[in-house]
Amino acid sequence: EPEVTQTPSHQVTQMGQEVILRCVPISNHLYFYWYRQILGQKVEFLVSFYNNEISEKSEIFDDQFSVERPDGSNFTLKIRSTKLEDSAMYFCASSEGWVNEKLFFGSGTQLSVL
Amino acid sequence: DQQVKQNSPSLSVQEGRISILNCDYTNSMFDYFLWYKKYPAEGPTFLISISSIKDKNEDGRFTVFLNKSAKHLSLHIVPSQPGDSAVYFCAASGSGSARQLTFGSGTQLTVLP
Repeated sequence: EPEVTQTPSHQVTQMGQEVILRCVPISNHLYFYWYRQILGQKVEFLVSFYNNEISEKSEIFDDQFSVERPDGSNFTLKIRSTKLEDSAMYFCASSEGWVNEKLFFGSGTQLSVL
Repeated sequence: DQQVKQNSPSLSVQEGRISILNCDYTNSMFDYFLWYKKYPAEGPTFLISISSIKDKNEDGRFTVFLNKSAKHLSLHIVPSQPGDSAVYFCAASGSGSARQLTFGSGTQLTVLP
């Protein structure tokens, strides 16, 4: 079965540094998402992306965050200046459509900000 | 923010018996509901979904029931198997859209052999 691929699986960074988390969505999917899960908390929506622009974003997704689809296959999440509270598991997801569609999630990138 | 609640953090069931996982929601704008399961070190895996125009959806061993008046849904797994041991998340969205899912906190299901 096709899958969403995320790299790296673990990322350790110093506070204030920029990080880029990478994702390869399923090839025929058109809608892309980032979610995150802080340890012991719920999975939270960050942003959705379609047709090379952000469709929706949550309050978490502030100016420090950005997303990009630099080529036909990759989808990235950039955190410009990481904070301790950005430490979380970040999940990329994709779906074929918008309405009543299931999301396919990647295995996640565990980000640790020191 | 407790729009989607899973009040049981854990559940243990004997192999072969029924597992019933529950989920409550407060936002009446939610009209599409999904269940995901998650193994350690993996992302959530889609299990089954239901639209608010239905009250039941079945897929093999998995059945989801939706009670709109009670704002409650449940996932039944029959028969339960040891490989079903995982964390199960309920998720919901509004306007028939999967664009922005609101997740519950999850229930750890353990199926005992």
